[in-house]
Parts: sequence; C-alpha cells; structure tokens
Amino acid sequence: GAVVSQHPSWVICKSGTSVKIECRSLDFQATTMFWYRQFPKQSLMLMATSNEGSKATYEQGVEKDKFLINHASLTLSTLTVTSAHPEDSSFYICSVRGPYEQYFGPGTRLTVT
Amino acid sequence: QQPVQSPQAVILREGEDAVINCSSSKALYSVHWYRQKHGEAPVFLMILLKGGEQKGHEKISASFNEKKQQSSLYLTASQLSYSGTYFCGTEMENSGGSNYKLTFGKGTLLTVNP
Repeated sequence: GAVVSQHPSWVICKSGTSVKIECRSLDFQATTMFWYRQFPKQSLMLMATSNEGSKATYEQGVEKDKFLINHASLTLSTLTVTSAHPEDSSFYICSVRGPYEQYFGPGTRLTVT
Repeated sequence: QQPVQSPQAVILREGEDAVINCSSSKALYSVHWYRQKHGEAPVFLMILLKGGEQKGHEKISASFNEKKQQSSLYLTASQLSYSGTYFCGTEMENSGGSNYKLTFGKGTLLTVNP
C-alpha cells in the first residue's frame, strides 16, 4: 500500500495563531486526499476532500475560511488551521485514496493553549 | 449518514472469537474495515464491494449483506495484537468519481487479554 507521512506529528500553539499540517504521499500519486478530525475516543470525521489542482470540497459544518486546504501537487496536501482556538485541539489525520482502500497518515495531534 | 456499529466494546481472552457488526440505512456500494490502535493511524483490514468482491488480509474475514446493508467482521482465534478500535467505513451507492467519500461508524473497542 501507499506510504503517507504527516508533519508535524504533534504541535502546541497559542490561541489565535495559525498552524500548517503537511500530508505527503511518498510512493503514490494522489489525485485525491482526505482530511479527517478525530476527538478522543470518537470516530473519524471527514472535514474535506482535497483534489489536486482544484478547490477542496468541505463537509457541512466545516468552515472553509478557517481550515485552508491546498493540494498543489500529486504528493502534497496541506491543511492550515487559521486563528486556532482551544476547541480546535484534536487529532488531524490525512488519507490518500488508493484503487480500493484509503491509506492513512500517522496523524498530527494539535493542542491549542 | 453515519453507519451504526455494534457492540460498542468487547473483551476477549486470547483465542476467543468475536463478531463486529456495521449497518446502514442507505444503499451501500462498499464497506471498509479498519483497525486503529491508540494514538496511531487507522490500518486497512478489508473492503467488501457490492457484487461480492472482497479484498483484505488472510486472517480476517467479513461478510456483506447487500439486501440488509449490513456487514460483519469476524475475528477468529484472537491474538493480543488484535486489540484496538475497529471502524467500519461505508461508501454510498450513489457516490463515485468526485463524490466519493467514506463515512465511518463510531467504532468498536476490542480488548484481548492473555
């Protein structure tokens, strides 16, 4: 399967600042990537679908101006959490769509103080 | 629409069997099963497609009842390494192309004790 990396693996930031999370597909050309958010002991909630070279598709209730997604190449998608607040603290996971399954990255734990 | 998983949690002794269920109120094209250990990314286990095609690991088996829109994951002769949270992800029948996405259930916490 595809190898997907995320950077950073964890980040602590102050309220009001912005944080960028990178998702890289190391051995698979990914035209479609997904961004999920997972709160403790809860399910994976899809935030948005990132398509290479076009605008991301956001799920209902996800603020597109707050969670900026850029998918500039077939191997890289970025999620920027703008003006982060403590309620944005969560585990953010990206995935790459393969021929059948999704390949998940290791996740980024964001803590906003 | 989020699929419903049952049970929410199950505790086994090593060597015992377990069944985890996933059901949807909508017509499904495929059901995916993943296992996630604490603090880690989900790991793909199996996909079941409408029409009967399956792809997955040898020691994991599952079924997909297309009429009832239900899937079950069968874990036999459980090992300690099977512990984790199991999620089913469903793809709706009318999704595809640019509309493709998975919706995950709330998960089933499986604990295997020695």
